[in-house]
Amino acid sequence: EAGVVQSPRYKIIEKKQPVAFWCNPISGHNTLYWYLQNLGQGPELLIRYENEEAVDDSQLPKDRFSAERLKGVDSTLKIQPAELGDSAVYLCASSPGLAMVDEQFFGPGTRLTVL
Amino acid sequence: GESVGLHLPTLSVQEGDNSIINCAYSNSASDYFIWYKQESGKGPQFIIDIRSNMDKRQGQRVTVLLNKTVKHLSLQIAATQPGDSAVYFCAENASNQGGKLIFGQGTELSVKP
Repeated sequence: EAGVVQSPRYKIIEKKQPVAFWCNPISGHNTLYWYLQNLGQGPELLIRYENEEAVDDSQLPKDRFSAERLKGVDSTLKIQPAELGDSAVYLCASSPGLAMVDEQFFGPGTRLTVL
Repeated sequence: GESVGLHLPTLSVQEGDNSIINCAYSNSASDYFIWYKQESGKGPQFIIDIRSNMDKRQGQRVTVLLNKTVKHLSLQIAATQPGDSAVYFCAENASNQGGKLIFGQGTELSVKP
């Protein structure tokens, strides 16, 4: 069974440029998460989708970050414009059910470097 | 940026020894806990979980202990192998946090052959 797929794996951009990350969750998983992970720290939730609905986006910096999951499957996370402090790993995870107590399966992440 | 997050607690053990990784949590309402393993360049991988109505749960070579009195969680790895080298995170889930999973800082385990 294929795991969570993310692309690109690495991205280097200059500050003020836009950037987008893509995630394909495990087939059949209703819930999709985007996390931010800074070096040496645990992941922090940015947004959680149940099917195509964003049910928790309280930690998403909405002035520059946006996300979508139009058909309830793939998702994209966008930053515009990127800032130096956005350099981090962006992780996508999915789980089969509609509760965060379900096991979450993580993708490999996209490592973003903002210069 | 801040350097506080760059200095992970580290644990170095000899291959074959047992490892114990500790985690403290702060929310007394947390009722579900998970240990994740994260290898370099990969996402976190589920190891074992435990609910607050249990004190101990065992898996294959791993045991999680939960002490709700002092809000402490530990992961024990038996007969540690080089493949166990990774960063280990505990995560807690509480209904008063909207069911959000909150990750701890992580501990880096290094296994010497």
